[in-house]
Amino acid sequence: GQNIDQPTEMTATEGAIVQINCTYQTSGFNGLFWYQQHAGEAPTFLSYNVLDGLEEKGRFSSFLSRSKGYSYLLLKELQMKDSASYLCAVRSNRDDKIIFGKGTRLHILP
Amino acid sequence: DAGVTQSPTHLIKTRGQQVTLRCSPKSGHDTVSWYQQALGQGPQFIFQYYEEEERQRGNFPDRFSGHQFPNYSSELNVNALLLGDSALYLCASSLDRGLGTEAFFGQGTRLTVV
Repeated sequence: GQNIDQPTEMTATEGAIVQINCTYQTSGFNGLFWYQQHAGEAPTFLSYNVLDGLEEKGRFSSFLSRSKGYSYLLLKELQMKDSASYLCAVRSNRDDKIIFGKGTRLHILP
Repeated sequence: DAGVTQSPTHLIKTRGQQVTLRCSPKSGHDTVSWYQQALGQGPQFIFQYYEEEERQRGNFPDRFSGHQFPNYSSELNVNALLLGDSALYLCASSLDRGLGTEAFFGQGTRLTVV
C-alpha cells in the first residue's frame, strides 16, 4: 500500500524560510510532486522530483531521498500570499496513480 | 490554452439522487484522473481514464463510475448520493502515463448533498 505523512499545520513569519517535510511508503516509486492549494481553489503544480537531490525553482526548492522515503519543500523569502496548503504526492510505478498526502496548512504571519 | 475545465462549479443535490460532473482536459492531454477532496483533507484518488477505459481505481464504491470520450473529456457519475459524498471533486489531466509529467487540475466542482 501507500502512505504519505506530512505535518498538519505550520506557522512562519514573512521574509523567513520554512521547510515542509514529507515521508512516504509506497509499493514502487515513480516520482514525488509538491502542489500548492489556496483555500477554495484547485491545487497548482510546484515541483517534481524523481531522482535524489535538490531541485530549485525560484523561491521554492524540493529535495528527495528515495532510500529514506523522504522529501521536503523549502520556501524562502516568505510572502503573505504563500499562506496555503502544500500537498505532497507520490506516483507509483506499478499502477501510475498519484496519491496525495493530507496536506500541510502553512500560515504566514506579518 | 483553456487548461482543465470542469462543470458545474457548484451543485446541490438531495440524498439518493444521481449526479454527473464533467471535465475537459488540457489541450493535448490524454489521461484524466478524478479526485474527491473533503474539507481539510488531501485529494483522494477515485479513478483514472486513458484511451476511453478505466485504468486504475481507488477505494471508492461502485456508486462512483465514469466515462471518457474520444475527445478525452470525461464524466464522473455518482449514484444514490449520500451526505458523505459532499466534497470538492477535482479532475486532473496529464499526458502519457509513466513519463512523470505533472497533473494539471481543474477548479473543481463543489458538491453539496442535503
